[in-house]
Amino acid sequence: AQSVTQLDSHVSVSEGTPVLLRCNYSSSYSPSLFWYVQHPNKGLQLLLKYTSAATLVKGINGFEAEFKKSETSFHLTKPSAHMSDAAEYFCVGGGSYIPTFGRGTSLIVHP
Amino acid sequence: DTGVSQNPRHKITKRGQNVTFRCDPISEHNRLYWYRQTLGQGPEFLTYFQNEAQLEKSRLLSDRFSAERPKGSFSTLEIQRTEQGDSAMYLCASSLLDEAFFGQGTRLTVV
Repeated sequence: AQSVTQLDSHVSVSEGTPVLLRCNYSSSYSPSLFWYVQHPNKGLQLLLKYTSAATLVKGINGFEAEFKKSETSFHLTKPSAHMSDAAEYFCVGGGSYIPTFGRGTSLIVHP
Repeated sequence: DTGVSQNPRHKITKRGQNVTFRCDPISEHNRLYWYRQTLGQGPEFLTYFQNEAQLEKSRLLSDRFSAERPKGSFSTLEIQRTEQGDSAMYLCASSLLDEAFFGQGTRLTVV
């Protein structure tokens, strides 16, 4: 199964500054990787997915992630944070048809 | 609404009682998953169906837990003799290819 490690439990940024949420993966084969977002009392929503077509993946709401095989990383970025981005973000590995979640990173956005 | 539907959304039960949750996946999706999420944690995999066949179960799934997916459509998750430690959000997801779509979850509180 594909395993992922989210390196930060909390990330705090000011509105308008860049966001970086870090995720490393471990796999011996070409991985499927996803980022999901979970707003309070809401369901999980897919932000973006990597399935080997392109290393830079663009998602919804201005988020993107870059797959780096040499670093086994799939970090999530956004150039400018909005207050509405405050949520829990999950990096998910998709090997063996069973999505496997990281522990989550809580993004805090200060005005 | 054609998303994944879970019922009930909330369930409060006394310790020792049995509870059953239902998940209606997106109609053409052949894969169905159950996860459990506790506060501050990422969703943990419980079990996975492909059509009506239960192909994998986590070691987290004690013998008090049982899941079914008759006819490969909706699924039920039953917890017998509930314990306070079963209090959590129970999430259902379905997929056809690589992307999993999640329901809003059923929040179980065992008192």
